[in-house]
Amino acid sequence: EAGVAQSPRYKIIEKRQSVAFWCNPISGHATLYWYQQILGQGPKLLIQFQNNGVVDDSQLPKDRFSAERLKGVDSTLKIQPAKLEDSAVYLCASSLGKRPIDRGHNEQFFGPGTRLTVL
Amino acid sequence: LAKTTQPISMDSYEGQEVNITCSHNNIATNDYITWYQQFPSQGPRFIIQGYKTKVTNEVASLFIPADRKSSTLSLPRVSLSDTAVYYCLVGGYTGGFKTIFGAGTRLFVKA
Repeated sequence: EAGVAQSPRYKIIEKRQSVAFWCNPISGHATLYWYQQILGQGPKLLIQFQNNGVVDDSQLPKDRFSAERLKGVDSTLKIQPAKLEDSAVYLCASSLGKRPIDRGHNEQFFGPGTRLTVL
Repeated sequence: LAKTTQPISMDSYEGQEVNITCSHNNIATNDYITWYQQFPSQGPRFIIQGYKTKVTNEVASLFIPADRKSSTLSLPRVSLSDTAVYYCLVGGYTGGFKTIFGAGTRLFVKA
C-alpha cells in the first residue's frame, strides 16, 4: 500500500515570497492533516480536513496560510507571503477517519514532510 | 482537548525496559490515549492506543489507571534504534479524530 506522498521534499525561498506544498493521502482516507514542526518542537496542527470539509483550522495563520482539499483527495498548503518564522518542516498525515473509534480508523499515517527554509 | 505533560528527556541502556509516563489530568470521557514515535527527519509513527486498563502489541504496552489521568508507555528491552522522540496524545472524535502533539520525550538509548 502506498504511503502519504508529499512534494517538494525541500524548498528554499526568500521572505515575502510565496510557496505551495502538495500532499496525496493514502487512498480511501477521509481525514487529512497539515502540521508545522519547528526544530525541537512537536508537530503543530495547522488544519484538519474531513473529506473536503474543514474540521479544525484554529491554529492556521489565515492572513498568510491557506489550504484546500479539492474533491476530498489531494491537498495543497500555501504560504503567501512567507516570513522567516515559517521555516519548519510541513508534515501531511491522513487517517481513515471514520467511526467506530479504534486504531484502524484514527491512526495517522505521516508523509516524509517538506523542509522549508525562509531566508 | 486535554493537555498532556511528559518528561522532556530520558536515558536508558540497551536491553533495559523503559517506562515513559504522561499526565493528562483533564482527559474527557470520550478521549483515547495514543502514543507516537518520531525519528529525526521522519514523520511520527503510531505505536499504540488505549482507552483504559492495559493494551499490548508487538512493540509496546500501554498502562492506563482507572482514573485515566495518566498513562505509561512501556518499551521492553530497548535497543539503540529505539532512540527517538515519543509523543503522548489525548483526543476524541468530534467530526474527525482530533489530537494535539506536545513537546514529546526524547529517549536516548546507550550501548
